[in-house]
Amino acid sequence: GAVVSQHPSWVICKSGTSVKIECRSLDFQATTMFWYRQFPKQSLMLMATSNEGSKATYEQGVEKDKFLINHASLTLSTLTVTSAHPEDSSFYICSARAGGYNEQYFGPGTRLTVT
Amino acid sequence: DAKTTQPTSMDCAEGRAANLPCNHSTISGNEYVYWYRQIHSQGPQYIIHGLKNNETNEMASLIITEDRKSSTLILPHATLRDTAVYYCIVRGYTGTASKLTFGTGTRLQVTL
Repeated sequence: GAVVSQHPSWVICKSGTSVKIECRSLDFQATTMFWYRQFPKQSLMLMATSNEGSKATYEQGVEKDKFLINHASLTLSTLTVTSAHPEDSSFYICSARAGGYNEQYFGPGTRLTVT
Repeated sequence: DAKTTQPTSMDCAEGRAANLPCNHSTISGNEYVYWYRQIHSQGPQYIIHGLKNNETNEMASLIITEDRKSSTLILPHATLRDTAVYYCIVRGYTGTASKLTFGTGTRLQVTL
């Protein structure tokens, strides 16, 4: 299957700082990328969907000014958690899809800990 | 909202077939059934998907009932590395229906 990478795999930051997570599709062009969040012992929750060159569409309850998503190219999307707080500590997973009729592949996830 | 119902957990002996059921009684005619799994602290891994015919690949088989209201994922010879949470997801291909919405899944424990 196609490969999606994320960087970093884990990050620790202090409360009030911002953190950027990168998601790359390594061997295909991703017209659509998705960002999920997963708290311990819970399922994945979709945060937002982004199409290359367009603004991201956020799920209900997700603050767009706090979770900034950029999808500037067909192989790269970034999620920036601004002014992070301990409650933002979670496992963030990106996913990429080449087109509506293609499969959706997931990155390995980024574990964010805010102290 | 997830449109599927799965058992919370299942056990399977190594080497035996693991049969994971999923109910999706409200599935629409143009929606596919997808299966993903998530090994602890990793991103989900695609397993298989189907519309109405049974499907098989190198990882698993997918059996969909004729009325499409339920399906079963079969891992023919489970190994310890198959221990994971398995998610059954119904997905359309356009608009909001094309998003993968995860339910609680089935935690499969493969034992010696």
